[in-house]
Amino acid sequence: EVQLVESGGGLVQPGGSLRLSCAASGFTFSSYNMNWVRQAPGKGLEWVSYISSSRTSIYYADSVKGRFTISRDNAKNSLYLQMSSLRDEDTAVYYCARGRETTVTTNWFDPWGQGTLVTVSS
Amino acid sequence: SSELTQDPAVSVALGQTVRITCQGDSLRSYYASWYQQKPGQAPVLVIYGKNNRPSGIPDRFSGSSSGNTASLTITGAQAEDEADYYCNSRDSSGNHKWVFGGGTKLTVL
Repeated sequence: EVQLVESGGGLVQPGGSLRLSCAASGFTFSSYNMNWVRQAPGKGLEWVSYISSSRTSIYYADSVKGRFTISRDNAKNSLYLQMSSLRDEDTAVYYCARGRETTVTTNWFDPWGQGTLVTVSS
Repeated sequence: SSELTQDPAVSVALGQTVRITCQGDSLRSYYASWYQQKPGQAPVLVIYGKNNRPSGIPDRFSGSSSGNTASLTITGAQAEDEADYYCNSRDSSGNHKWVFGGGTKLTVL
């Protein structure tokens, strides 16, 4: 069974740091691009970051660029998100999602993990 | 960057057909993907590409696209289809990002 399991969420003060992890199983992790997507309480989905299978391409949403760092360890089948200089508006459930594409015009996220809640508050 | 616009809420009578739309410039270049999210759960992919359903998604779900508009159609809506639906595509402005629509809350009456 293809599965993604996030961990590392919690309560952190504004300006603090946190590292999220996503453990992958049931597929060849090193062959797939990966993403982080977040959802603030009661709000919609927001794409956060992307990392290619071989780590050669990395992209960020403007809202987190310079503060968040995505990484992966293909030997450990794991994806990470290092978050620093956290703000109140970073409070959200953070999902990892496998990226898929068949052509340059056709791409999607599947599956998604169950999410981990990050709360930024003093 | 591109934006995707969805109606905040749509309702449908049980067993009837409903269309959920998503508009944005990026849809002229990229196909939309669609996700169903029920309360307290992670999003689930229901449609991707021109009109493809992942394994396990009922065939009452279908997708289409024309110009800057993508549509998700549920033919014969069931009570279990009540959920939030999000469209998504790659940003077409060349800055290597992805965008989601604001989501549509579907109510099955």
